[in-house]
Amino acid sequence: DAEITQSPRHKITETGRQVTLACHQTWNHNNMFWYRQDLGHGLRLIHYSYGVHDTNKGEVSDGYSVSRSNTEDLPLTLESAASSQTSVYFCASSRTGLAEAFFGQGTRLTVV
Amino acid sequence: DAKTTQPNSMESNEEEPVHLPCNHSTISGTDYIHWYRQLPSQGPEYVIHGLTSNVNNRMASLAIAEDRKSSTLILHRATLRDAAVYYCILRDRGEFGNEKLTFGTGTRLTIIP
Repeated sequence: DAEITQSPRHKITETGRQVTLACHQTWNHNNMFWYRQDLGHGLRLIHYSYGVHDTNKGEVSDGYSVSRSNTEDLPLTLESAASSQTSVYFCASSRTGLAEAFFGQGTRLTVV
Repeated sequence: DAKTTQPNSMESNEEEPVHLPCNHSTISGTDYIHWYRQLPSQGPEYVIHGLTSNVNNRMASLAIAEDRKSSTLILHRATLRDAAVYYCILRDRGEFGNEKLTFGTGTRLTIIP
């Protein structure tokens, strides 16, 4: 079955380190998204991509970057991790046309 | 993006119907109404969507007001598994390339055994 997977599921890192969270989908969807979820804030969009080599900033993109070199993957990089980036991160994908989005199980990141 | 308003929380008894309201008074003619839910410790999942007519699927029904300024997600017979945060989201079909989902804070549904 097609799916979307995130790795790792849990990560603890130190302030200032570079961290990359992986997202892989096997639906061949054009659209991929990264969200973060904090208590009291719901899900907020970090970055998104509508196809290979396309990336766009969301509402909370500072301190994060993404690259899209193939259809299946959209890794999220924290250039220099900060304690404010401690959060649960969700990746999602969808096909074009306001189709339903499929979400991964999430990555819980703790920055100490 | 057009805004939606939902109650912060609701409770319902198990095996009874649940009606989750959503107000979207500034909805445009090209906005679709989508519902997602997020079970504890999981990513959101799609529930249902509609434009003007009421919609049914295996998970729920969506009732859309005639003026489209409000809608109601109906769970016909709630189970404990339906305890989740439910999000009502407007998606503009008329805005080319706008595929992203914008989440509000949703309604936390508690099911009482």
